[in-house]
Amino acid sequence: GENVEQHPSTLSVQEGDSAVIKCTYSDSASNYFPWYKQELGKRPQLIIDIRSNVGEKKDQRIAVTLNKTAKHFSLHITETQPEDSAVYFCAARRSNFGNEKLTFGTGTRLTIIP
Amino acid sequence: SAVISQKPSRDICQRGTSLTIQCQVDSQVTMMFWYRQQPGQSLTLIATANQGSEATYESGFVIDKFPISRPNLTFSTLTVSNMSPEDSSIYLCSVVSSDKKQFFGPGTRLTVL
Repeated sequence: GENVEQHPSTLSVQEGDSAVIKCTYSDSASNYFPWYKQELGKRPQLIIDIRSNVGEKKDQRIAVTLNKTAKHFSLHITETQPEDSAVYFCAARRSNFGNEKLTFGTGTRLTIIP
Repeated sequence: SAVISQKPSRDICQRGTSLTIQCQVDSQVTMMFWYRQQPGQSLTLIATANQGSEATYESGFVIDKFPISRPNLTFSTLTVSNMSPEDSSIYLCSVVSSDKKQFFGPGTRLTVL
């Protein structure tokens, strides 16, 4: 089955700096890669996703890049703010149609230092 | 995105008892999942709740311990049976919306004494 590895497990950055979280996956058939943000005591919230026919996607201060050849994808957060502090999870799924399960990474605890 | 609600939001239970968690979605969804999240950990899939048929369980989870019902496309229940302190966790339902994105309910925080 699919295996998703996520690094680093913890990350501290100064407010205003950029943060990068990286994930690798094992199943070459995976073609959908979402990222979730989970604040303390809250549900995981989908913040951005990318499909395999796209190399990069941006939404304001966040972006995701995908390298299908190397089987890795990354989350980039620019101009970090204190409200970006949370745990971030990457995931991978084989189906573009949503009829298969997501496999999650182990999570990255991001702390923004004011 | 779909609006997902869960009941109860939290509960404290005695060992040996059972708790049923409800998940309600504001629209019909094909795919519905149940996850467990232990403190500081990632999300672990318990099972896929199938409408009109038995749930599909992941390795390490069995129907006798976690029976699931899915009577229609907007509702599902997960029962945690014969609970022990090791079952203390957050249980989340999750659905795939019409645009193929996956969303989570608010979770049920379960403590077993």
